[in-house]
Amino acid sequence: QVQLQESGPGLVKPSETLSLTCTVSGGSVSTYSCGWIRQSPGKGLEWIGYIYNTGSTNYNPSLESRVTMSVDRSKNQCSLNLRSVTAADTAVYYCARGLDRVVVNKWKGHYCDYWGQGNLVTVSS
Amino acid sequence: QSALTQPPSVSGAPGQKVTISCTGTTSNIGAGYDVHWYQLLPGATPKLLIFGNNNRPSGVPDRFSGSKSGASASLAITGLQAEDEADYYCQSYDNSLSGSMIFGGGTTLTVL
Repeated sequence: QVQLQESGPGLVKPSETLSLTCTVSGGSVSTYSCGWIRQSPGKGLEWIGYIYNTGSTNYNPSLESRVTMSVDRSKNQCSLNLRSVTAADTAVYYCARGLDRVVVNKWKGHYCDYWGQGNLVTVSS
Repeated sequence: QSALTQPPSVSGAPGQKVTISCTGTTSNIGAGYDVHWYQLLPGATPKLLIFGNNNRPSGVPDRFSGSKSGASASLAITGLQAEDEADYYCQSYDNSLSGSMIFGGGTTLTVL
């Protein structure tokens, strides 16, 4: 059974960098992509981005200038860094295992089959 | 404002059927990209309910089904149970936003 677990600080000061790590068990980060999604209080899900097992990345255009994702294959982990945070970045941050959907050699998009429990990060001084 | 439109809430009595709609555009669902559905229960890990428009992962009851037509998709839940009370999100891909994964705004299901 694939399991993902986010870890990182629950409180980050404004203008600083939010850093989270996702540890994968029961599967390999070398085989699938690792995605990050967040949910702000009272709001819906927002895709942050994902990193493929090749190391290539795809970020939400609205966050792209502040986001960096990476993979540590030796630790079976993927990581998220979000720079220059503000109160608007307060949210539950989820990591998830990503899969490409390919039907009859046509790429149909990307989805997440296993998710972590989420890590609440509050941005406040 | 989400790229995919869902009703904010739906409700139904135990045993009944409810349907949650997800409306997109010609740059996402209408462009032929698949739709996927997730269930978010309070305090629980988000769960994939439907992938590829109408496929259930192992372990998801057949009370849950998905469909897609044109630029819209739907999630149907039959034989409603109290444990189905949760938030439901549709998700697809949009080729007009530098290649983005997009979610609907979410629908809260209340079992009366």
